[in-house]
Amino acid sequence: GAGVSQSPSNKVTEKGKDVELRCDPISGHTALYWYRQSLGQGLEFLIYFQGNSAPDKSGLPSDRFSAERTGGSVSTLTIQRTQQEDSAVYLCASSLVVNIQLLGNTIYFGEGSWLTVV
Amino acid sequence: ELKVEQNPLFLSMQEGKNYTIYCNYSTTSDRLYWYRQDPGKSLESLFVLLSNGAVKQEGRLMASLDTKARLSTLHITAAVHDLSATYFCAVISNFGNEKLTFGTGTRLTIIP
Repeated sequence: GAGVSQSPSNKVTEKGKDVELRCDPISGHTALYWYRQSLGQGLEFLIYFQGNSAPDKSGLPSDRFSAERTGGSVSTLTIQRTQQEDSAVYLCASSLVVNIQLLGNTIYFGEGSWLTVV
Repeated sequence: ELKVEQNPLFLSMQEGKNYTIYCNYSTTSDRLYWYRQDPGKSLESLFVLLSNGAVKQEGRLMASLDTKARLSTLHITAAVHDLSATYFCAVISNFGNEKLTFGTGTRLTIIP
């Protein structure tokens, strides 16, 4: 597609349930990022992928959070046993070029998945 | 750990006025990004600044980067209501991985 696509766009789930959030990056983009933004707050880094590997998982808040990326394309962020504090917008971003600083690798964001845990 | 600070956090300004948003960061970086976010929306890329002294302009917005001072500015000229939004800067360190670290954001409100 033309942009970064995320699904679902909205999800309401009961506390304790597992949820999966999907990100489809721009075709050919090698780098993929997940961020979380709570209501009225800034952006919290979760994880980034270079290809299928995740060099930096330091932002995952707890072991209930995991992410994978297959085929260098689609990524899934999974939250197990959801808690109310997990309620936020989960934003995915992708970029074409990584580690080549001279090129203007714009990082494009998707529309986000709005998660509400009740 | 890379820290990115923006100021001010909140800014109300009248239409037609000029103002500047500042973004300071704590480590060596040649890559700085500016984004705009409207309420309930995602992030729109405004500028990518890749070297010391880089200056980019789009309409009433102009961004610059001073890597020696570890400072970027977003200057707004003759503000109009449509520029009301939250503006974020974000930085990738020259060292380590490709983690994009965001500033706190500046919520800009343009008053008619």
